[in-house]
Amino acid sequence: DIVMTQSPDSLAVSLGERATINCKSSQSVLYSSNNKNYLAWYQQKPGQPPNLLIYWASTRESGVPDRFSGSGSGTDFTLTISSLQAEDVAVYYCQQYYSTPPTFGPGTKVDIK
Amino acid sequence: EVQLVESGGGLIQPGGSLRLSCAASGFTVSTNYMSWVRQAPGKGLEWVSIIYSGGNTYYADSVKGRFTISRDNSKNALYLQMNSLRAEDTAVYYCARDVIGSKGLFHYWGQGTLVTVSS
Repeated sequence: DIVMTQSPDSLAVSLGERATINCKSSQSVLYSSNNKNYLAWYQQKPGQPPNLLIYWASTRESGVPDRFSGSGSGTDFTLTISSLQAEDVAVYYCQQYYSTPPTFGPGTKVDIK
Repeated sequence: EVQLVESGGGLIQPGGSLRLSCAASGFTVSTNYMSWVRQAPGKGLEWVSIIYSGGNTYYADSVKGRFTISRDNSKNALYLQMNSLRAEDTAVYYCARDVIGSKGLFHYWGQGTLVTVSS
């Protein structure tokens, strides 16, 4: 199974400031035949199911604000919130869908400083 | 509009059985990849099982041989039969529909149903 790790475990950022979350996979999730990274990011607010934010490592899901961006390739990925808003307080998970079983990172909790 | 509504959770003793249901609307379950994902209280997300549109099924090692995923095309519903339940199966269970053509990429989620395994 591909093991996903995230850092930091939690972070507190001032409103309007940048938040950066890192994700690492134990093996590459880049599929060479189509040059796509099988890496997604989800946002989960308390008491709610996860919400798909980004897939293919950098493609924003429809309706997701453009302050959310994803980058990286192979085994190292980053989710950036360019200007943190109050409604962004949540836990963020990365997930690989390169192989079965799909696996999630442990999550990063984002709070307001 | 796509909707997924889970039901069937509750308190069950270790060793017991439970069947979860997921009623779908706005799309056809049988033509999509459908998964169950669980989340233990205060913990992260764990994929449990998937059923492909062709009917193939796969399971996490932690539930293999105990859980069975299935669907009822006439009811447009997804199920998870859970047998030999253990305390570590305690979690909120979500059903999820994959992004079309991308297995394991979860596009739509239900609100979840809580399963508590305890004596």
